[in-house]
Amino acid sequence: DVKVTQSSRYLVKRTGEKVFLECVQDMDHENMFWYRQDPGLGLRLIYFSYDVKMKEKGDIPEGYSVSREKKERFSLILESASTNQTSMYLCASSFPSGTTYEQYFGPGTRLTVT
Amino acid sequence: AQSVTQLGSHVSVSEGALVLLRCNYSSSVPPYLFWYVQYPNQGLQLLLKYTSAATLVKGINGFEAEFKKSETSFHLTKPSAHMSDAAEYFCAVSFSSNTGKLIFGQGTTLQVKP
Repeated sequence: DVKVTQSSRYLVKRTGEKVFLECVQDMDHENMFWYRQDPGLGLRLIYFSYDVKMKEKGDIPEGYSVSREKKERFSLILESASTNQTSMYLCASSFPSGTTYEQYFGPGTRLTVT
Repeated sequence: AQSVTQLGSHVSVSEGALVLLRCNYSSSVPPYLFWYVQYPNQGLQLLLKYTSAATLVKGINGFEAEFKKSETSFHLTKPSAHMSDAAEYFCAVSFSSNTGKLIFGQGTTLQVKP
């Protein structure tokens, strides 16, 4: 079974703190993704990476950065956390399946910024 | 621009009744379409996917979806709802065959009443 793990299920941080969210996958997938999930908005893509040290901005990259130094690990960084970044953060990795890709998701990290 | 719309943020059915969750997409090219399910406090799990092989797609847990190009729809159905089907459901579309990037709908919460 594919395993995507996230470092924390729940996190509480203060405004202005630097926050690291870690994601690890164990299946040698090339593509990895970070989403945030908010009620009524579905999942929105923050950043994705298609190879080590390669990244592309998603739909809502402002206030976030990412790091991918090893294939299995993709980190999301909030340089200076703000209250509007309180959300559920989901990591995913994808692999080729037939003519498309399938994404596998981690359990999520619920971040609260106070 | 490509987009996905899920009609109805909340759907309530009785146990044993038909489940119908609606999804429409907007695209100028043939899409790949997915349905994901999210149980409380968990990540997303793939239910089924459409990749142009067959318009009627069967997934896990008795769910199926039919791709209708003329209606740009990919509605999810299940003949008989079970209490364990209560969850949030997301429709997603991919237009990229080499990264698997997904665009998600807003989500539909399914409530199953005894």
